[in-house]
Amino acid sequence: SQQGEEDPQALSIQEGENATMNCSYKTSINNLQWYRQNSGRGLVHLILIRSNEREKHSGRLRVTLDTSKKSSSLLITASRAADTASYFCATASNTGNQFYFGTGTSLTVIP
Amino acid sequence: GAVVSQHPSRVICKSGTSVKIECRSLDFQATTMFWYRQFPKQSLMLMATSNEGSKATYEQGVEKDKFLINHASLTLSTLTVTSAHPEDSSFYICSAVKRLAGSYEQYFGPGTRLTVT
Repeated sequence: SQQGEEDPQALSIQEGENATMNCSYKTSINNLQWYRQNSGRGLVHLILIRSNEREKHSGRLRVTLDTSKKSSSLLITASRAADTASYFCATASNTGNQFYFGTGTSLTVIP
Repeated sequence: GAVVSQHPSRVICKSGTSVKIECRSLDFQATTMFWYRQFPKQSLMLMATSNEGSKATYEQGVEKDKFLINHASLTLSTLTVTSAHPEDSSFYICSAVKRLAGSYEQYFGPGTRLTVT
């Protein structure tokens, strides 16, 4: 069910730096959502960007969407140790009954 | 936002027993729910799509007789792992789809850690 690829697979940065993760997908979408998952826990919904939107902000998060390139990026600014987690993108089909997950990016923020 | 609960959060059972996991959308109705399985350090693997009032749609390779899914109401879907074996030990996550005008948003439960001994 995965149609998305995320890069990098793993990212390690110092606290205070910005972290950028990318997601690419293959088919037309209704929207794209980013999630965070702490080790052994469920997924937390971070932000949703619709196919007719190009950029969205939420606190320290900035998401962009380029439907022509079928890609999205998640930027976390001024990272904190608590941001250490895996981050996944997921696309929703136009029919709303198919969601595809990326492979995830494991982010480590070093205090 | 939207809240999805899952119960239990953790279960340990003996080989051969059956385990039921509940997924509830607490503040919205969900005609579609999904069940995923996640292995350590991997992404989510879709097991089945649960549709209210109809049979679930299973992904290739997922045994429908082993993983029974019931979506009896717009807020509840259950996954029953029948005759569980150690290889069924995993993290099971459900999600519910919230439909808004022209948009579909997927919200996840906190997951259930199943250990079969």
